[in-house]
Amino acid sequence: HSALTQPASVSGSPGQSITISCIGTSSDVGSFNYVSWYQQHPGKAPKLIIHDVNNRPSGVSNRFSGSKSDNTASLTISGLQAEDEADYYCTAYTSSASWVFGGGTKLTVL
Amino acid sequence: EVQLVESGGGLIQPGGSLRLSCAASGLTFSSYWMHWVRQVPGKGPVWVSCINIDGSVTRYADSVRGRFTISRDNAKNTLYLQMNSLRAEDTAIYYCASPGIAVTGMSFDYWGQGTLVTVSS
Repeated sequence: HSALTQPASVSGSPGQSITISCIGTSSDVGSFNYVSWYQQHPGKAPKLIIHDVNNRPSGVSNRFSGSKSDNTASLTISGLQAEDEADYYCTAYTSSASWVFGGGTKLTVL
Repeated sequence: EVQLVESGGGLIQPGGSLRLSCAASGLTFSSYWMHWVRQVPGKGPVWVSCINIDGSVTRYADSVRGRFTISRDNAKNTLYLQMNSLRAEDTAIYYCASPGIAVTGMSFDYWGQGTLVTVSS
């Protein structure tokens, strides 16, 4: 399974909304509702922010939301804040009983 | 509080072997599948391997199958990754990760701080 496709970078101003896409195939994103999203600040481990397409763990801001249509998953961050500036990764379970990650998207808050 | 603490990384020559450990606390270790994920700094994470609750089922990424072996000791709440025939392209930060939040168990809910493996002569 090739890596999921994410835009290399996105940016937005405080208060705005942005959406990060995660394009897979019918063998991963399109096959299961097992897409999750992670936020990673420099020098830190990834942190789960969305699981199973659109579920937020307790403690994660409701400004983060996820969705999926066919082979594309999306992460939307509304009301951008400075602390949202980080790298974001999607991952999906595959029909080969493995997991595949996206290449990552660097979010810049202007 | 869930804690996953990796150890065992370091500098190793190509062709060498290394064993990573991940000590878990704050979760019922024996109830969860466990994973190893690696990440080259500046690049996206890559799933490496996973193991089921009693160690009877293991899965590997194609890039490490036949060279890496995942195992666990539920009595010690510890996950292992035996890495043999190491190559330069295995250089990365290695994280252990576990489910524990999502009911489905199909995401990497908790992560350790990672241990750096550098394969170089």
